[in-house]
Amino acid sequence: NAGVMQNPRHLVRRRGQEARLRCSPMKGHSHVYWYRQLPEEGLKFMVYLQKENIIDESGMPKERFSAEFPKEGPSILRIQQVVRGDSAAYFCASSPQATGLQETQYFGPGTRLLVL
Amino acid sequence: QKEVEQDPGPLSVPEGAIVSLNCTYSNSAFQYFMWYRQYSRKGPELLMYTYSSGNKEDGRFTAQVDKSSKYISLFIRDSQPSDSATYLCAMSVNNAGKSTFGDGTTLTVKP
Repeated sequence: NAGVMQNPRHLVRRRGQEARLRCSPMKGHSHVYWYRQLPEEGLKFMVYLQKENIIDESGMPKERFSAEFPKEGPSILRIQQVVRGDSAAYFCASSPQATGLQETQYFGPGTRLLVL
Repeated sequence: QKEVEQDPGPLSVPEGAIVSLNCTYSNSAFQYFMWYRQYSRKGPELLMYTYSSGNKEDGRFTAQVDKSSKYISLFIRDSQPSDSATYLCAMSVNNAGKSTFGDGTTLTVKP
């Protein structure tokens, strides 16, 4: 069973460009979470999605950031008009349906975004 | 004030030592408590997962949760150089939903 997959692993953008980060959850997982990790800091929650539905976007910046998890295909985190402060590692996690106490989140390897 | 505070470290111990990693939190609604290990430039890997108060043991790792004190700990026995990593505590209110992380403690185990 393949783990959570993220691509690209590294992404370089110039200020003002768009960044698209992709996340394929583990097989059988229907919940996806996005977190951002700045250097020397812990992970900060951004958004929680189920297929075709945003459950909690309380951690998403109000502008330039959006996320989706379509019925088919990976989850996408989109950052429009990137700025240098967006440089960070972005991690995706997935979990199964919340049907028991053993469910939790399994993380992908992350996408490291560098904005020049 | 952050919802989750973690001892910042860094922590350096000799091989074979017992390591204690700690976090405190302010949100009494947290019920699920996790410890992750993160190697440099990798994603976090779940080590321990505990619901509510109590102890949980898995091999050389023991997780403790004291909800009355809002304090959680991870103990590593017989530490190995391969345990050198950043350890992140995390907690959540619901079984499904966002987790709130500490900033991590970097551990180095010297041979």
